[in-house]
Amino acid sequence: AQSVAQPEDQVNVAEGNPLTVKCTYSVSGNPYLFWYVQYPNRGLQFLLKYITGDNLVKGSYGFEAEFNKSQTSFHLKKPSALVSDSALYFCAVRDMPPSGGSYIPTFGRGTSLIVHP
Amino acid sequence: DADVTQTPRNRITKTGKRIMLECSQTKGHDRMYWYRQDPGLGLRLIYYSFDVKDINKGEISDGYSVSRQAQAKFSLSLESAIPNQTALYFCATSDSVDPNYGYTFGSGTRLTVV
Repeated sequence: AQSVAQPEDQVNVAEGNPLTVKCTYSVSGNPYLFWYVQYPNRGLQFLLKYITGDNLVKGSYGFEAEFNKSQTSFHLKKPSALVSDSALYFCAVRDMPPSGGSYIPTFGRGTSLIVHP
Repeated sequence: DADVTQTPRNRITKTGKRIMLECSQTKGHDRMYWYRQDPGLGLRLIYYSFDVKDINKGEISDGYSVSRQAQAKFSLSLESAIPNQTALYFCATSDSVDPNYGYTFGSGTRLTVV
């Protein structure tokens, strides 16, 4: 079984400061991890993914995420936040057990990021 | 034009009415999905289809049905709408050739059942 948790409903950060949006996961095999962003009145947009390889993954709009297998985490980060980064962020995980998977990811509940001017 | 188009964008309907939400895509993807978004609950999968003749229930399929009329079209029906089906509905697509790439989402349909 696969699951994902976003422990913070809301994250507040001042513009120019670094930001972190947290995500932890649980899988039985190897995790495939994704971050999506949802701007007001829009659908979700793909930001980045981790499949294999380097633990630090770089994505769109200056975002990056760090995969930590021992802590089962995949936190989203950005060195310097912009007001325009204010949006709803979703983490998603898909399990890939040795016997194969269905390719259906599970989404977290979302974290609202508010960047103050 | 958007890669994944959902119609209508907004809809208000009365309890007991049948309503259909439509999704069409120009991505050429073979896999399509319907999700429901509620505040604090995130995205929950209603139905998904890996091909035209393939329909699968998601975690919250009760009260919903779907039809995959063509590879590019996937519609969601509420047979008899009830107020707790008020939500934001998203259609998404993915490609079996590269299933790890991620989903492409439509802009959503905001449904209100009164």
